[in-house]
Amino acid sequence: VMTQSPLSLPVTLGQPASISCRSSQSLVHSDGKTYLSWFHQRPGQSPRRLIYRVSYRDSGVPDRFSGSGSGTDFTLKISSVEAEDVGVFYCMQGTHWPTFGGGTKVEIK
Amino acid sequence: QVQLVQSGSELKKPGASVKISCTGSGYSFTDFAMAWVRQAPGHGLEWIGWINTNTGNPMFAPGLTGQFDFTLDTSVNTAYLQIRNLKADDTAVYYCARGSAFDVWGQGTMVIVSS
Repeated sequence: VMTQSPLSLPVTLGQPASISCRSSQSLVHSDGKTYLSWFHQRPGQSPRRLIYRVSYRDSGVPDRFSGSGSGTDFTLKISSVEAEDVGVFYCMQGTHWPTFGGGTKVEIK
Repeated sequence: QVQLVQSGSELKKPGASVKISCTGSGYSFTDFAMAWVRQAPGHGLEWIGWINTNTGNPMFAPGLTGQFDFTLDTSVNTAYLQIRNLKADDTAVYYCARGSAFDVWGQGTMVIVSS
């Protein structure tokens, strides 16, 4: 089970934001890698992968997004929130059968 | 560029079946599995399963019933999701996504089940 917090995150433009994702079991694969990704879904759009293997940013993803963590606890940080960041952020583990977190809705105050 | 293009929205009656397509382009189709994900209205993402595009071997998420079927037509770089015996709570947007990394997503196919 992947548990995200908070469920809702009102943020001020230009301010930092942080989302937590906790797994009920270790996400370290037998190959030594940790398959934890973060996705962003804007209203009415498909999800877009931002981060894979905990901390690797996908091509074209702004460097204001960063991922960290290990084992069972992971965090997505946005250093300075922009208007285009509204939407729902999901973590997903791919170490076992793929499982998504419940999502964190980011909105601008 | 790499993209996945899905078929259009569907309106079905309870008990019917639906078949959704997902066509890949811009990459070698058989180098990546194809995953399927559903999202009920106002809800989060749920992995349904995936299909090995080399062997055609499907893998379904634990706990799902035998309601789903994955097939391929590699001659046209297309994967299909068939859902049988539709119920109202199958109403959702269904996405295809590339591989086990989910790095590329289709635009989604809305399936509405209503009498």
